[in-house]
Amino acid sequence: AQSVTQPDIHITVSEGASLELRCNYSYGATPYLFWYVQSPGQGLQLLLKYFSGDTLVQGIKGFEAEFKRSQSSFNLRKPSVHWSDAAEYFCAVGAGRRALTFGSGTRLQVQP
Amino acid sequence: DVKVTQSSRYLVKRTGEKVFLECVQDMDHENMFWYRQDPGLGLRLIYFSYDVKMKEKGDIPEGYSVSREKKERFSLILESASTNQTSMYLCASSRGLTGSNTEAFFGQGTRLTVV
Repeated sequence: AQSVTQPDIHITVSEGASLELRCNYSYGATPYLFWYVQSPGQGLQLLLKYFSGDTLVQGIKGFEAEFKRSQSSFNLRKPSVHWSDAAEYFCAVGAGRRALTFGSGTRLQVQP
Repeated sequence: DVKVTQSSRYLVKRTGEKVFLECVQDMDHENMFWYRQDPGLGLRLIYFSYDVKMKEKGDIPEGYSVSREKKERFSLILESASTNQTSMYLCASSRGLTGSNTEAFFGQGTRLTVV
């Protein structure tokens, strides 16, 4: 069965600084990979997804992620964080005709 | 845009009550899901359905059941609510379970408190 690890529970960055959120997955074949964002009290919104092809994928709100098969990673990046990016971020993996499996989430705080 | 609608944003129920959480999607998706979200645990799959009247247990099905009588509607049932079922419940749908169809679309969530 697939699994997802987000090693950082909570990250604080200054507004304008760069951001990288880590995600590692466990699955034997190439999985489908997703990043979702959740604002307080809301459902999850898709930021970006990877199915195949180019390993660097662009998403909404200026986010990007890179699939690295050798490291079983799909880290999320943003070159300059805005205060409105404060939220919880979830990495998810889909594989083997099962529902998506989610990581435990990373809460991002943005300092002015 | 896909819309997944959960019938309640907030619910307060008493221990032992039978609780129904309703979810409707408007994009003719084959699959629907119920997840539970708790701090530090992320989203955990309770049940999912890949067709009308078809269901499959997820990772934490104990204490829950589901019903899918129509394609667009997926209900989560707490047979006898307990305080440890106090949580945020998220419904989602997807076109399929392979490739680009795997993308899940989420409702706004129902925050359930059992007292």
